[in-house]
Amino acid sequence: EAGVAQSPRYKIIEKRQSVAFWCNPISGHATLYWYQQILGQGPKLLIQFQNNGVVDDSQLPKDRFSAERLKGVDSTLKIQPAKLEDSAVYLCASSFSGGYNEQFFGPGTRLTVL
Amino acid sequence: KQEVTQIPAALSVPEGENLVLNCSFTDSAIYNLQWFRQDPGKGLTSLLLIQSSQREQTSGRLNASLDKSSGRSTLYIAASQPGDSATYLCAAGGDNAGNMLTFGGGTRLMVKP
Repeated sequence: EAGVAQSPRYKIIEKRQSVAFWCNPISGHATLYWYQQILGQGPKLLIQFQNNGVVDDSQLPKDRFSAERLKGVDSTLKIQPAKLEDSAVYLCASSFSGGYNEQFFGPGTRLTVL
Repeated sequence: KQEVTQIPAALSVPEGENLVLNCSFTDSAIYNLQWFRQDPGKGLTSLLLIQSSQREQTSGRLNASLDKSSGRSTLYIAASQPGDSATYLCAAGGDNAGNMLTFGGGTRLMVKP
């Protein structure tokens, strides 16, 4: 069974530029999560999708971050414009039906904002 | 708001030692508790998932316990090996349909040969 796929693995941009990350969850998983992990800290949930719909985006900085999950499968997370403090690893995870199921994580995208 | 704390933040032990990693959470209304392992530059690997109705889970040399009433979970690693060196994260799953995970800051473990 293939795991959660993410791309790119690394990205370096200058502040005020825009960037997008892509995630493909495990086949059949209805729930998809985006987390931000700043160096030395645990991951923080940014947004959770159940199929196409948003379940929780309370910690997403909506003035600069946006995310979508078209057709209930792949998802993209965008930052525009990026700030220095957005430097972090962005992790995507999926679970079978949201609810109370185990979450499986992708390898992450390491973003550096200069 | 749930807060999760892990102590110690870093731990260095000689190979072969048994060790305990601690995780505490402020809101006992959790549905489950997950322990993850993270290697440098990698994503998270799920180690153990304890449902709120369970007291412990075991996988190989790993044993995790959960005490909801006291807001604590421990991860016990038996006969540690250099390959166990990694960061260990615990995450409390919220008691709602979204099962939002709140993570601790992690314990960075180094097992010396």
